[in-house]
Parts: sequence; structure tokens; C-alpha cells
Amino acid sequence: AQSVTQLDSQVPVFEEAPVELRCNYSSSVSVYLFWYVQYPNQGLQLLLKYLSGSTLVKGINGFEAEFNKSQTSFHLRKPSVHISDTAEYFCAVMGTYKYIFGTGTRLKVLA
Amino acid sequence: NAGVTQTPKFQVLKTGQSMTLQCAQDMNHEYMSWYRQDPGMGLRLIHYSVGAGITDQGEVPNGYNVSRSTTEDFPLRLLSAAPSQTSVYFCASRAGGYNEQFFGPGTRLTVL
Repeated sequence: AQSVTQLDSQVPVFEEAPVELRCNYSSSVSVYLFWYVQYPNQGLQLLLKYLSGSTLVKGINGFEAEFNKSQTSFHLRKPSVHISDTAEYFCAVMGTYKYIFGTGTRLKVLA
Repeated sequence: NAGVTQTPKFQVLKTGQSMTLQCAQDMNHEYMSWYRQDPGMGLRLIHYSVGAGITDQGEVPNGYNVSRSTTEDFPLRLLSAAPSQTSVYFCASRAGGYNEQFFGPGTRLTVL
């Protein structure tokens, strides 16, 4: 069965600093990976996805992620965060018919 | 396009009561899913559907029923509410293939 692990439950970071949110997945023949963001009291929305091709994927709001097959990782990065990036971030892998989500990482951007 | 809509936004139930959480989408998506979100546990799949008339269980189906009589609607029924079902419930839909899911705004349910 496929699964994802988000290694950090909370990440505090100062405004304008870089951030990396970590995600590892269980190996599979074909891997389809996603990052979603959830702002307070809202549903989730897609940040970016990796289906195939270039291992560096760019998403909305200046986020990017790198697919690393040898390390089975799909870490999310942003070079300079803003207060408005404070949210919960979820990594997900697509299995047969359904998504499997990680437990989430709460990003807190400090002024 | 309203996207994915959920009603109600908030609900308080007493133990043993039943209710239905409504979910509708207007994007003609084949796939629909129900998740519950609990602190520290991420989103856990309750039930999902791959088309009208076809549903299957996710990882936490006990205490919940679903049906999919139309493409648009995917209601979630709590048969006999328990305090362990206090949670935030999200409905989501997507087209076939490896497409993104679109989420509703959620229903916050408290069972006393």
C-alpha cells in the first residue's frame, strides 16, 4: 500500500526566511504526488503536483517541490515566506482511485 | 460554477442521533470522496465513489453510509452518532485520471 510521511508536525519560521517542508512516500512503480494547502477554517487547495517529467515542480504562491526517486522524497520549498503563508500543508500520493494524505505540517510564519 | 458545496457548515448532535451531511458538485466529476480531519491525524478517507451507483470504503468507514444516485450528489449518513465522530468533514471531487481534487468548505460536527 502507498503512504506518505510528513516528518514535521509544526515548522516556525521568520518572515522572509526560506522554508522546507518534508515529505517522504512509500515506493511504488508509478508515483503521483501532490501538495495541498489549507488556510484557517477553509478547505484544501492544490499547490502543485508531480505526475512525470521534470523533477522540479513549480506551484502557486512561489512554492516549488523536488521529486527525488532515490530518496523517495517530495519536499516543498519556498525561498522567502510571508505572513500569509501561515497555513497547514499536506502531502498526498495518489493510489488506485484515491488519494492518501500525510498528517500535515503546520507552518507558522513569525513577524 | 459553485464547485463543491457542503451543508450544513456546523452541526451539533446528541449521541445516538442520525443525520446526513450533504455534498454536491457542479463540475461533472466522476470521483467523489468524504474525509474526516482530526488534529494530528491529517485527512482520513471515509468513503469514496468512482461514479454514480459505485461506492467503496476508505480507511475509516465504520458508522458511516454513503450512496451515489447522481453524478452531482454524494451524501454522507451518520447512522447513530458517537462522540468519536466529532470532527471536521470534507467532501472532495475530481475528474478521472491524475487530476487534482477540489474540496468543499467543510462541515464541523460536534457530538455530545
